Amino acid sequence: GQQLNQSPQSMFIQEGEDVSMNCTSSSIFNTWLWYKQDPGEGPVLLIALYKAGELTSNGRLTAQFGITRKDSFLNISASIPSDVGIYFCAGRVFQKLVFGTGTRLLVSP
Amino acid sequence: DTAVSQTPKYLVTQMGNDKSIKCEQNLGHDTMYWYKQDSKKFLKIMFSYNNKELIINETVPNRFSPKSPDKAHLNLHINSLELGDSAVYFCASSQDWAGSNYGYTFGSGTRLTVV
Repeated sequence: GQQLNQSPQSMFIQEGEDVSMNCTSSSIFNTWLWYKQDPGEGPVLLIALYKAGELTSNGRLTAQFGITRKDSFLNISASIPSDVGIYFCAGRVFQKLVFGTGTRLLVSP
Repeated sequence: DTAVSQTPKYLVTQMGNDKSIKCEQNLGHDTMYWYKQDSKKFLKIMFSYNNKELIINETVPNRFSPKSPDKAHLNLHINSLELGDSAVYFCASSQDWAGSNYGYTFGSGTRLTVV
């Protein structure tokens, strides 16, 4: 089945640093979504991308839908301690949302 | 007011027991889902219902049976629980089956531990 690979698997950064993570797939997706999961909670939608090449921002977050429709990246600028969590990419094809393997982000104050 | 609520939050039970997890959404969404998150945090879809009708049934053992009494509720019943069923189960909903515009809204999860 479809599989989304995220890299890096985990990151440990200092507050104020910029962060970049990406998501790749062997399959084409129609929509890319980025979610954040805090401990003990469900994933929360951060950004949704609907067209190849689309670049979308949400505050300090910027995400892009790859031209090939097989990848996406997420950037976080000027990280803060509350950015800690697991970030998931998700690709939608037909009726199903397939999630990536996750990137765990730790931010040191 | 919680958008997607699951109960219970934690469930510890013995192997062989039967248990249910309940989910309710007050968003007026047409489609609801069950996802399983394993110990490595990998999220995998199990079931999807649109307006009470099953539309996705992934390769899930028959011991798992979803039930949707109305479009605001999707419950998950698990028979003969096994150690490997231990995981966090998330309920989610979307506006329609395509999950268009706003993706999915997730509940806060039910941590199931089978001992």
